[in-house]
Amino acid sequence: AQSVTQLDSQVPVFEEAPVELRCNYSSSVSVYLFWYVQYPNQGLQLLLKYLSGSTLVKGINGFEAEFNKSQTSFHLRKPSVHISDTAEYFCAVSGLKTSYDKVIFGPGTSLSVIP
Amino acid sequence: GAGVSQSPRYKVAKRGQDVALRCDPISGHVSLFWYQQALGQGPEFLTYFQNEAQLDKSGLPSDRFFAERPEGSVSTLKIQRTQQEDSAVYLCASTTGGREAFFGQGTRLTVV
Repeated sequence: AQSVTQLDSQVPVFEEAPVELRCNYSSSVSVYLFWYVQYPNQGLQLLLKYLSGSTLVKGINGFEAEFNKSQTSFHLRKPSVHISDTAEYFCAVSGLKTSYDKVIFGPGTSLSVIP
Repeated sequence: GAGVSQSPRYKVAKRGQDVALRCDPISGHVSLFWYQQALGQGPEFLTYFQNEAQLDKSGLPSDRFFAERPEGSVSTLKIQRTQQEDSAVYLCASTTGGREAFFGQGTRLTVV
């Protein structure tokens, strides 16, 4: 079974400052990793995903994440945030079964961008 | 359709009432998931369909929860005898199997 930890429940940051949202996972098998964003009263939108290959993954809206297998981490970063980045961010993991594996979500980090 | 559609967007139910939540996945998507998201929490897995077959229902919290997808497209999540702890946003997602799940906007259920 897999699990996801997001240590920071809330992250306030000033506009145009850099931000890092932390994610650690636990799994007995190899995994796929994801970051989703949820705006108020909206569903979840995929920011980026790591399936294989380069450990540095670039996503939409200027976000990127780096997969670190030894530290079982998949931290999300953005060099300069905008007001519009204010949202809930979820890290998620899925096991590498051949057919499917359910996506397990972390508890989320609320990013607040301060003008 | 262009995306995953869920209806209703909002539902208020009296305790003990039965409710049915509908999900229209993206056309052609084989896999369909239901998640429950309590306030301030991450989505929790409920159940998974591959076409019309319900392959995993390990996340359904009780036998009051039932899901179906009879023709392999539209899915319905039914909750019988609703209780206050059932209040949450219910999210539906579909995927072609390429590991990117597309989510609907959810149904916010409030049990009073």
